[in-house]
Parts: sequence; structure tokens; C-alpha cells
Amino acid sequence: AQSVTQPDIHITVSEGASLELRCNYSYGATPYLFWYVQSPGQGLQLLLKYFSGDTLVQGIKGFEAEFKRSQSSFNLRKPSVHWSDAAEYFCAVAPSGSARQLTFGSGTQLTVLP
Amino acid sequence: NAGVTQTPKFQVLKTGQSMTLQCAQDMNHNSMYWYRQDPGMGLRLIYYSASEGTTDKGEVPNGYNVSRLNKREFSLRLESAAPSQTSVYFCASSEVGSIITGELFFGEGSRLTVL
Repeated sequence: AQSVTQPDIHITVSEGASLELRCNYSYGATPYLFWYVQSPGQGLQLLLKYFSGDTLVQGIKGFEAEFKRSQSSFNLRKPSVHWSDAAEYFCAVAPSGSARQLTFGSGTQLTVLP
Repeated sequence: NAGVTQTPKFQVLKTGQSMTLQCAQDMNHNSMYWYRQDPGMGLRLIYYSASEGTTDKGEVPNGYNVSRLNKREFSLRLESAAPSQTSVYFCASSEVGSIITGELFFGEGSRLTVL
């Protein structure tokens, strides 16, 4: 079975600084990869996804993620963080395109300092 | 423009009480899901419904039952609540069961505390 690890429980950055959130997965083949964001009091929203092709994918809100097969990683990045980016971020993987097989990581809480 | 609506948003129960969490979506989606979110564990699938009239167990179904009342509504029932069921519950829907062609849309969550 696949698994997802987000090694950073909590990250604090200053507004305007760059951001990288780490995600590692364990799966025999290349799974389908996702990043979701959960703003306070809200449900999860899809930021971006990777299925195949170009290993650098662009998402909403200025986020991007890079798939690195050799490292089994799918790290999320943003060049300049805004205060509104403060939220919890979840990496998720699925071995196929079936939504019921989606496995979520434990999440990384992002705090943005003014 | 409601999307996925969950009720109630907050609930406190005593051990052994029963309750039903309601979920409705207005996007004409075929597939619906119930997740629970616990600290340090991410979201785990409780039950899902691929289409109206069908339901299947997810990763953590014990202690729960579901009903797909119609295409719009998918309810989650706790028959005899236990403290281990203290969690935040999320309902989600998707046009079809594929996350390649579709996307999961989530409700705002229901925070349940069992004393």
C-alpha cells in the first residue's frame, strides 16, 4: 500500500520569503500526486496535481511542485509567501485515478509572520 | 454557489448517543465521500458512494453507517458514539470517481466531540 510522509509538522516563514514544503511517498510505481490546502475553518482545496509529463507543475495561488522520481518526492514551493497563505497543506497520493484510493499525508501547518 | 454543505458544524455527544451528519452537494456530482481528520494523521476515508444507490467501505468504516439518500445527499450515522470518534468529519464530492478527469470538492467540516 502507498504511504505519504510530510516530515515538517509546522513551518514558519516571513511574508515575502520563499517556501518549500516537503512530501515523500512510498509506492512501487509513480503514483498520482496532489497538494491540497486547508484554510482555517474551510474544507480542502486542490492546489495542483501531477500525473505524468513535465515534472514541474503549476497550480493555483502561485504555487508549484516538482516531482523527483529518484527521491520519491513531490515538494511544494512558492517564491514569495503572502499572509493569506497561512493554512494547513496536505500532500496526497493515489496509485490509480480512483478517488477512493487517495491517501493523505499528515499535513504541514504554515504560519506566516508579518 | 453552495458547493458541499455539511450540518451540523459542531456537535458534542455523550458516549453511547447516536447522531447523523448530513451532507448535500449542489454540483450534480455522482460520487460522494466521508472522511475523518485526526491530528497528525491526515484524512482517512470512512465510506464512499460511487453513485446514487451504492455505498462502500473505506479505510476506517467501523462504528459508522451511511445512506446515499439521493444524488444530492450522503449522510453519516454514528449509532453509538465512542470517544475514539472525536474528530473533524469532512464530506466531499466529485463528478465521477476518477481524480484524473475530476476533482474532489470538500465541505467545511463538522467537528464532533464525544465525551
